[in-house]
Amino acid sequence: NAGVTQTPKFQVLKTGQSMTLQCAQDMNHEYMSWYRQDPGMGLRLIHYSVGAGITDQGEVPNGYNVSRSTTEDFPLRLLSAAPSQTSVYFCASSSYGTSGGSDTQYFGPGTRLTVL
Amino acid sequence: LAKTTQPISMDSYEGQEVNITCSHNNIATNDYITWYQQFPSQGPRFIIQGYKTKVTNEVASLFIPADRKSSTLSLPRVSLSDTAVYYCLVGPVLGGFKTIFGAGTRLFVKA
Repeated sequence: NAGVTQTPKFQVLKTGQSMTLQCAQDMNHEYMSWYRQDPGMGLRLIHYSVGAGITDQGEVPNGYNVSRSTTEDFPLRLLSAAPSQTSVYFCASSSYGTSGGSDTQYFGPGTRLTVL
Repeated sequence: LAKTTQPISMDSYEGQEVNITCSHNNIATNDYITWYQQFPSQGPRFIIQGYKTKVTNEVASLFIPADRKSSTLSLPRVSLSDTAVYYCLVGPVLGGFKTIFGAGTRLFVKA
């Protein structure tokens, strides 16, 4: 299993440009999430999905769109990039805990985005 | 969702046992406690999860008192490679993926 994969690893955008960050998982997980992490900070939830065709907003959704057409893929779209969106973006997937516990999340390697 | 409080940073030496305590006073009955580890330039990685009493795996132990208002992650005999940020999360059985990551505890292990 590749786990959670993200592309690209690095990206530089100019203010106003749009782009899509790709995320895919091969573990057949129901839940997928996007987080951003600013320097020295914890992770903040942008959007999440509980299954194909179902998405919802997290803590910091403004400026981002998501869709979930398949179980495997969960792309994050930046509509009009702004310098405030310079950050590291992590995608994660999870499934109902097999032992009955809370969801255990598996994270991708991240995408470092710089907006000039 | 329950909020957690943990120390901003801790220092230790190789070979020592490290205990990181997390406070979660408003934990709900159906909440579990989960700890993640994050190395620089990597995504967080699951370490351990528990509901009450003590949980142990090959990496760490998790101690949870009866009132569940706090928990302690114990790392036995740390090495330089344990230098990382450790996050304590509290979340329900369903929807736990929506739990909040705080700033975490930065652990520095010295030789």
